[in-house]
Amino acid sequence: DTAVSQTPKYLVTQMGNDKSIKCEQNLGHDTMYWYKQDSKKFLKIMFSYNNKELIINETVPNRFSPKSPDKAHLNLHINSLELGDSAVYFCASSPLGGTPGYEQYFGPGTRLTVT
Amino acid sequence: AQSVAQPEDQVNVAEGNPLTVKCTYSVSGNPYLFWYVQYPNRGLQFLLKYITGDNLVKGSYGFEAEFNKSQTSFHLKKPSALVSDSALYFCAVRDPRMDSSYKLIFGSGTRLLVRP
Repeated sequence: DTAVSQTPKYLVTQMGNDKSIKCEQNLGHDTMYWYKQDSKKFLKIMFSYNNKELIINETVPNRFSPKSPDKAHLNLHINSLELGDSAVYFCASSPLGGTPGYEQYFGPGTRLTVT
Repeated sequence: AQSVAQPEDQVNVAEGNPLTVKCTYSVSGNPYLFWYVQYPNRGLQFLLKYITGDNLVKGSYGFEAEFNKSQTSFHLKKPSALVSDSALYFCAVRDPRMDSSYKLIFGSGTRLLVRP
């Protein structure tokens, strides 16, 4: 059983387009995250939701809009895609986000290429 | 500001030899420390964590890490490396203060290459 899943796995699109990445977790976790991994493999948090409430928004351009329809899903919508948005986007989840000792579980990633 | 440093971009080791992947951190208060591994084209997998207690933490796949508060380090170790250990390793820290407790701050990653 896949714990944290993302769709699509690969996404190739042109500049200016709008695209969405979906994430689902079946672990019953309360907190979900989006991370961006750039071409140098550097990982940085973008957003965090706890029980559908936005907790973290890390100075991400407002072209990026997360949406959490329920606590098992956290989708990422990106408007007006730019070349610099090309990266691998990882979704993650953890139980009891306010308890720092819990590790996060990561999805397989979505490789976004903007041409 | 909280930060994590992994001073080595790559570590090369022969199979069967011990390995160490270094990590140092900077955070106010007592840190919560994690190691993750990323295999090619895969997501991150949790290896181990230090929260409190014994400074030597054991994790998955025979890995362990030693928390050293005076040196602010959390180096990952394995007594005998396997070729299959070759991957990208990330150290991460989580500030236990409530106002930022949801954030994992990652190091830049260290590529481990185990040669046969």
